[in-house]
Amino acid sequence: GQQVMQIPQYQHVQEGEDFTTYCNSSTTLSNIQWYKQRPGGHPVFLIQLVKSGEVKKQKRLTFQFGEAKKNSSLHITATQTTDVGTYFCRNHSTNFGNEKLTFGTGTRLTIIP
Amino acid sequence: EAQVTQNPRYLITVTGKKLTVTCSQNMNHEYMSWYRQDPGLGLRQIYYSMNVEVTDKGDVPEGYKVSRKEKRNFPLILESPSPNQTSLYFCASSRGGGSPLHFGNGTRLTVT
Repeated sequence: GQQVMQIPQYQHVQEGEDFTTYCNSSTTLSNIQWYKQRPGGHPVFLIQLVKSGEVKKQKRLTFQFGEAKKNSSLHITATQTTDVGTYFCRNHSTNFGNEKLTFGTGTRLTIIP
Repeated sequence: EAQVTQNPRYLITVTGKKLTVTCSQNMNHEYMSWYRQDPGLGLRQIYYSMNVEVTDKGDVPEGYKVSRKEKRNFPLILESPSPNQTSLYFCASSRGGGSPLHFGNGTRLTVT
């Protein structure tokens, strides 16, 4: 079955440093979604990537979908305290007509002011 | 305002006492789903529903039941809760299975 690896599990960075989380799948994906969960909050949808090699930006956030559609990354440039939270990927794959939607285990980002 | 409403936000109960967590969405979404979130394990799907009267097991369905009698509501039922069901639960909805999810605020359940 599909396995979703998200790394790292935790990341502590100094404010102003960059941050990257990676999501890797054992199977080819139809699309991938990224979510952010603030401490004490609920996951909130950030973006969806569909095309091979796709790159999308939201201000300081850059999302990338791998050429083989098996991996994705979320990069934050010059982190701020508002970036604190856990970032999840959600993988969508289709195998012989069966849909599988799986969340990664998340990367928890903490910022040292 | 488009939202997914879960109740209650916090619940403490004892082993074996049946409980229901309600979930309602006002976006006319066809897809609804329940997740539990535990430290280090991310969001694991319990049950999902593609439409009214259509429900399917997720990855961790044991000990849970759901029903989808109306499009807007998708309650989660624990017939006989056990301590290993202590967790943070989220309900979510979307237009379709692969569409972006809208989450409720969560229900923190403690079973003693």
